[in-house]
Amino acid sequence: SSELTQDPAVSVALGQTVSITCRGDTLLSYYASWYQQKPGQAPVLVIYGKNRRPSGIPDRFSGSTSGDTASLTIAGAQAEDEADYYCNSRESTNNFLEVFGGGTRLTVL
Amino acid sequence: EVQLVQSGGEVKKPGESLRISCQGSGYTFITYWIAWVRQRPGKGLDYMGIIYPGDSDARYSPSFEGQVTISADKSISTAYLHLGRLEASDSAIYYCARRHDHGDYTFSFDVWGQGTTVNVSP
Repeated sequence: SSELTQDPAVSVALGQTVSITCRGDTLLSYYASWYQQKPGQAPVLVIYGKNRRPSGIPDRFSGSTSGDTASLTIAGAQAEDEADYYCNSRESTNNFLEVFGGGTRLTVL
Repeated sequence: EVQLVQSGGEVKKPGESLRISCQGSGYTFITYWIAWVRQRPGKGLDYMGIIYPGDSDARYSPSFEGQVTISADKSISTAYLHLGRLEASDSAIYYCARRHDHGDYTFSFDVWGQGTTVNVSP
């Protein structure tokens, strides 16, 4: 089955821009979705598709894909953006098998 | 408001079984797949499987096939996750999530339940 690989931890200075990456063969077939999870809370969808944001997600969040790598970019990171971020996509050979990346812990300094 | 509401936390002993529920509201429940996701303490998200409540077609991740059962009762807009013969390693938070097919090779889990904490301890 496919895997999605994320860096375990990333840090960013307050107000600066940071990108979190997710790499996997399945991203050659399907777009990634990105989820934010804060301690003690359920994950929340922040980016999906080519670069689409659900209602209520600030426009400082954006997404992109190049080849087998998807990126979530936060432009002007805020303290409240400190969280775990997970990418997700569908397994390219099985429409019913989803896969999550291992997650990236974002620290805002 | 579109939401998924899960049943409350459980404390179980090894060898016992458990059923967690996930009730949808605010949308047509039978037209969206519902997935189950496990999160062990301090760990990431593990996809377990998915069900289409319209016809109860359930599919499983190979990692969980034979270990869990996913079902649904469309008459009450509820999906279920059944865990049998619990072990300490089953201690986790279990989430249900609605899968949204946006077209154009784009899918997402756009609505999540609040999570159900399961603690398996002798």
